Amino acid sequence: GAGVSQSPSNKVTEKGKDVELRCDPISGHTALYWYRQSLGQGLEFLIYFQGNSAPDKSGLPSDRFSAERTGGSVSTLTIQRTQQEDSAVYLCASSLGGGRVEQYFGPGTRLTVT
Amino acid sequence: AQKVTQAQTEISVVEKEDVTLDCVYETRDTTYYLFWYKQPPSGELVFLIRRNSFDEQNEISGRYSWNFQKSTSSFNFTITASQVVDSAVYFCALSEAVNNAGNMLTFGGGTRLMVKP
Repeated sequence: GAGVSQSPSNKVTEKGKDVELRCDPISGHTALYWYRQSLGQGLEFLIYFQGNSAPDKSGLPSDRFSAERTGGSVSTLTIQRTQQEDSAVYLCASSLGGGRVEQYFGPGTRLTVT
Repeated sequence: AQKVTQAQTEISVVEKEDVTLDCVYETRDTTYYLFWYKQPPSGELVFLIRRNSFDEQNEISGRYSWNFQKSTSSFNFTITASQVVDSAVYFCALSEAVNNAGNMLTFGGGTRLMVKP
């Protein structure tokens, strides 16, 4: 079946602009995760959704970051007033939930802030 | 707090050699999960294996094998008869019991494996 998809695959934006990243999880997966991968910080967790709910948003790096999930499926990660330190690969993953905790990752969105 | 350490940042071997990637973890939970992921040059993280904390059986899948030892908090990954296609960055990860962060993964820093022909 189809895996996790993310769009766009690459995004170049000017400092100060807003960007929206999209994630389509595997069909039927109730849990969805966002991570960020950068050279300096490695792979870091950002936020988790169970269904449409994100119980804890403290992993988001700043209040310029927000995320939502609708219909228990698609999720968007929005970064407002982008800064150069936001440049990274943003990865989305989903898992079936219940006892099936392994996460399957999408190809990522490479964000470059100039 | 949970932590994963992969002390080997880069390993270079010649094809057909065996290679072991080390992973040491820290957690206060008694129930947790350990994972290995492969990130080839294309960039996508590929799930390889999951182990539960209560199951210390080693596992073999083809040329891949995993050695889980709770006594040393280690979860090492061995590739036998390495091939050029095994060249990638390998990440070990830990997930504690479900909480407000779900089963969030804490990753090690990764080990870059280069297999030369």
